[in-house]
Amino acid sequence: NAGVTQTPKFQVLKTGQSMTLQCAQDMNHEYMSWYRQDPGMGLRLIHYSVGAGITDQGEVPNGYNVSRSTTEDFPLRLLSAAPSQTSVYFCASRINWAADGQPQHFGDGTRLSIL
Amino acid sequence: AQSVTQLGSHVSVSEGALVLLRCNYSSSVPPYLFWYVQYPNQGLQLLLKYTTGATLVKGINGFEAEFKKSETSFHLTKPSAHMSDAAEYFCAVTPDSGNTPLVFGKGTRLSVIA
Repeated sequence: NAGVTQTPKFQVLKTGQSMTLQCAQDMNHEYMSWYRQDPGMGLRLIHYSVGAGITDQGEVPNGYNVSRSTTEDFPLRLLSAAPSQTSVYFCASRINWAADGQPQHFGDGTRLSIL
Repeated sequence: AQSVTQLGSHVSVSEGALVLLRCNYSSSVPPYLFWYVQYPNQGLQLLLKYTTGATLVKGINGFEAEFKKSETSFHLTKPSAHMSDAAEYFCAVTPDSGNTPLVFGKGTRLSVIA
């Protein structure tokens, strides 16, 4: 039972490079989301998806793109990396969008450094 | 709009002492409340949650939290701290009606001193 799997675990990029952070879940969850974690800032929502083909912006969406072509996968794309995007990124999933107290399941994170 | 305030970015306790991590929320509708724990270099794990019913909620590893509507609080406690409790703890809220994402507090880092 893998849960939420994020790859890579670590990545170093140069300013201006692009890359995709991968997230996959094997729990048939409809709802998936991406957060970034920075010291003293807690977790801030970047983008989320309530199901295949549907995405929406969170609190800090600028500089990031997402798509949701399948239920299982929710990749996060950095279009042109900037040092301000140095952070730890977490993917999370939940059974569905309904706010009925269901917990979110988190991946182990991707630690991204941009030079 | 919902918000979560965790009082104290860093709390330090002695091993065996009471752990108290504070969380206050603002929500215009009754909320669902969660506490998550993050150990170093790991993702977040659910400690406990409040949805409806009993206001005192018991979670894993001996932690519990009490929902106090009048104080808009959901403080996390553990009677006796263990070295393995050292981690970062996040309080989170989502309303029980309407569709909005989970909102997290900024986190409290718990240190346990031998």
